[in-house]
Amino acid sequence: LAKTTQPISMDSYEGQEVNITCSHNNIATNDYITWYQQFPSQGPRFIIQGYKTKVTNEVASLFIPADRKSSTLSLPRVSLSDTAVYYCLVANTGGFKTIFGAGTRLFVKA
Amino acid sequence: DTEVTQTPKHLVMGMTNKKSLKCEQHMGHRAMYWYKQKAKKPPELMFVYSYEKLSINESVPSRFSPECPNSSLLNLHLHALQPEDSALYLCASSQAPPSSYNEQFFGPGTRLTVL
Repeated sequence: LAKTTQPISMDSYEGQEVNITCSHNNIATNDYITWYQQFPSQGPRFIIQGYKTKVTNEVASLFIPADRKSSTLSLPRVSLSDTAVYYCLVANTGGFKTIFGAGTRLFVKA
Repeated sequence: DTEVTQTPKHLVMGMTNKKSLKCEQHMGHRAMYWYKQKAKKPPELMFVYSYEKLSINESVPSRFSPECPNSSLLNLHLHALQPEDSALYLCASSQAPPSSYNEQFFGPGTRLTVL
């Protein structure tokens, strides 16, 4: 399974766009990039998943360059309620095991 | 209904006690998971069930005993735990077969303290 590397923490202010980059140098051809969000004392929540180029949903965008060795989660106009830990993981349809990376603690300030 | 429920929310137990954690989902998912999460660490996979059968046991000590009595329920039986087993225990479910690719729906967890 491809290992992921993310920044340990990030600070931002309300209304700003936040970009969290994840490195996954050993990603395999059939791997997808998946992001989860976790608030304190809650279980993780799926945010977005992609294979290449750009994926956008109502919550976030995911940018994946052609070599797929990294990906960037983009959160537009964050609010205080976006303060959470964001996990990047590499997933594939044949893999039973879900391995979460260390995660990025995002702290949004007023 | 996209909710996974877990009971109890909090549990304090002694090292000689026997207790059980319960997890329930009504999304029709046939893959269910147990994770353990220590403070400021990512969730760690413990067990995976697929169609009510144990698919993965991540070398978890036998003092943790999972059970999947039907497609909606998942239990984790605890016996003779150690203080280092204190953690947040998370249950999740997804479409089958179990896969890191499938979106997993997590419950809020049970905060376990072993004295």
